[in-house]
Amino acid sequence: AQSVTQPDIHITVSEGASLELRCNYSYGATPYLFWYVQSPGQGLQLLLKYFSGDTLVQGIKGFEAEFKRSQSSFNLRKPSVHWSDAAEYFCAVGASGYSTLTFGKGTMLLVSP
Amino acid sequence: NAGVTQTPKFQVLKTGQSMTLQCAQDMNHEYMSWYRQDPGMGLRLIHYSVGAGITDQGEVPNGYNVSRSTTEDFPLRLLSAAPSQTSVYFCASSSRPGQGGEAFFGQGTRLTVV
Repeated sequence: AQSVTQPDIHITVSEGASLELRCNYSYGATPYLFWYVQSPGQGLQLLLKYFSGDTLVQGIKGFEAEFKRSQSSFNLRKPSVHWSDAAEYFCAVGASGYSTLTFGKGTMLLVSP
Repeated sequence: NAGVTQTPKFQVLKTGQSMTLQCAQDMNHEYMSWYRQDPGMGLRLIHYSVGAGITDQGEVPNGYNVSRSTTEDFPLRLLSAAPSQTSVYFCASSSRPGQGGEAFFGQGTRLTVV
């Protein structure tokens, strides 16, 4: 079975600074990978996804993520964080032919002035 | 363009009561799922369905029941509510991986069992 680890429970970044959120997965074959964002009291919104092809994936709101097979990682990055990016971020993995996703426990991003 | 609609948004139950959380999607997705979200635990899969008439258990199915009589609807039933079922519940729908595959989520139902 697949699993996802997000090593950082909380991260604090200054507004305007760069951001990297870590995600490691466990799965024997090439997985389907997703990043979702959840604002307080809201549902989850898809930021980006990786299925195949180019390992650098561009998403909404200026986010990008890079799939590194050798490191079993799919880290999320943003060059300059805005106060509105403060939210909880979830990495998720789907196995081949999946019908459901397995989620990490989330990373809460705090943005300081 | 409703997407995934969950009702109610908030609910307070007494221990032992039963209730049904409603979920409807208008995207003609085959796959639908129920997750619960608890602090520090991420989203855990309760039950899921790959089509009308087909359901299966996820990671934490005990105390919950589901059915899928139509493509659009996937209700979650709490048979006898317990305080341990206090949580935020999310319904999601998705197409097959080859057709896009990302899950779309409802706004959630915040359930408190007292």
